Amino acid sequence: GDSVTQMEGPVTLSEEAFLTINCTYTATGYPSLFWYVQYPGEGLQLLLKATKADDKGSNKGFEATYRKETTSFHLEKGSVQVSDSAVYFCALSRGSYIPTFGRGTSLIVHP
Amino acid sequence: NAGVMQNPRHLVRRRGQEARLRCSPMKGHSHVYWYRQLPEEGLKFMVYLQKENIIDESGMPKERFSAEFPKEGPSILRIQQVVRGDSAAYFCASSQSPDSSTDTQYFGPGTRLTVL
Repeated sequence: GDSVTQMEGPVTLSEEAFLTINCTYTATGYPSLFWYVQYPGEGLQLLLKATKADDKGSNKGFEATYRKETTSFHLEKGSVQVSDSAVYFCALSRGSYIPTFGRGTSLIVHP
Repeated sequence: NAGVMQNPRHLVRRRGQEARLRCSPMKGHSHVYWYRQLPEEGLKFMVYLQKENIIDESGMPKERFSAEFPKEGPSILRIQQVVRGDSAAYFCASSQSPDSSTDTQYFGPGTRLTVL
């Protein structure tokens, strides 16, 4: 079945550091890929998505590129802020109503 | 345009009591999904409903859990005779269509259930 694997957290960075959160997936066909962000005490918000190979999703300074050859969708940001502290979920969908979510990676950014 | 609304935000119940969680989808959305999030884990799908119909309840425990989405009013997730293992965050999401690859699911803020 489909699965999503994310790097274990927490990821702890200083403000303005470069961020990478790794995500790899297993799925047949060509799924759509997503990153969601969950701030403390809130629900998930869609951060970015990509629907086909080599697409780059971007939003709020975050980027992720859909790599079919490595089945990856790593999340990156050039300079993180304290306000980026949250839990980040990678997910995929193959047209069903049930996305497959990773376990989430907690990001902690210190001033 | 209000987002997905859930209430209560926090709910405390003693073992054996009933918990009722409410979800009002975004305006214009007729597809509602319930998920459960246990500490340090991702979201697990529980049930998918359209107005007055349960489409898929494959992720919902057979015992004690039920869900509805009436013609009028919010969707309700009901947990009878709660146990400590039911303590979790329960999230509702809604969408315009059921294809999550093209149509974003919008999530509510969640209800955090604590069973004493």
